[in-house]
Amino acid sequence: GAGVSQSPSNKVTEKGKDVELRCDPISGHTALYWYRQSLGQGLEFLIYFQGNSAPDKSGLPSDRFSAERTGGSVSTLTIQRTQQEDSAVYLCASSQPGLGTSEQYFGPGTRLTVT
Amino acid sequence: AQKITQTQPGMFVQEKEAVTLDCTYDTSDPSYGLFWYKQPSSGEMIFLIYQGSYDQQNATEGRYSLNFQKARKSANLVISASQLGDSAMYFCAMREFYTGANSKLTFGKGITLSVRP
Repeated sequence: GAGVSQSPSNKVTEKGKDVELRCDPISGHTALYWYRQSLGQGLEFLIYFQGNSAPDKSGLPSDRFSAERTGGSVSTLTIQRTQQEDSAVYLCASSQPGLGTSEQYFGPGTRLTVT
Repeated sequence: AQKITQTQPGMFVQEKEAVTLDCTYDTSDPSYGLFWYKQPSSGEMIFLIYQGSYDQQNATEGRYSLNFQKARKSANLVISASQLGDSAMYFCAMREFYTGANSKLTFGKGITLSVRP
């Protein structure tokens, strides 16, 4: 079946502009995560959605970052007034609910470059 | 303190030999899981292997095995019979089941592995 998809694959934007990144999780996966990977670094947790529960936003680095998940499926990560330090690869992952051992399936990521 | 520590510099291994990638972790959670992911140059994250903190035996998945030493808080990945396609970044990650109720993964900074022909 289809894996996690993300769009766009690459995004170049000017400092100060807003950007939207999209994630389509695997069908049936109710858990969805956003991570950020800066150059040569590990992944940094941003936000987590589980079903209809309130999202865990504890990893968002500033109030310029927000995310929503419509209909329990597609998610959009929005970065307002982008800064150069926002340049990174943004990865989305989804997993089966309720199984602590379940792996997270990652999408290919969106490479964001802020000029 | 870092929760996941991967301190090895870039690793090199000869094709067909075995290699061990180190990972130590820090948690006070009594129940947790440890994961290894591979990230080739193409960028996708590929799940390799999982070890639960209460698992009695070390996890194995094909050429991958996990040397889990709970008392030392280490979860080293062993790749046997290295192949050229194993060249990639390798990330160790942890999920804490009680304190980390959101089930997020905490990642280490990764280790670069290069397999020489």
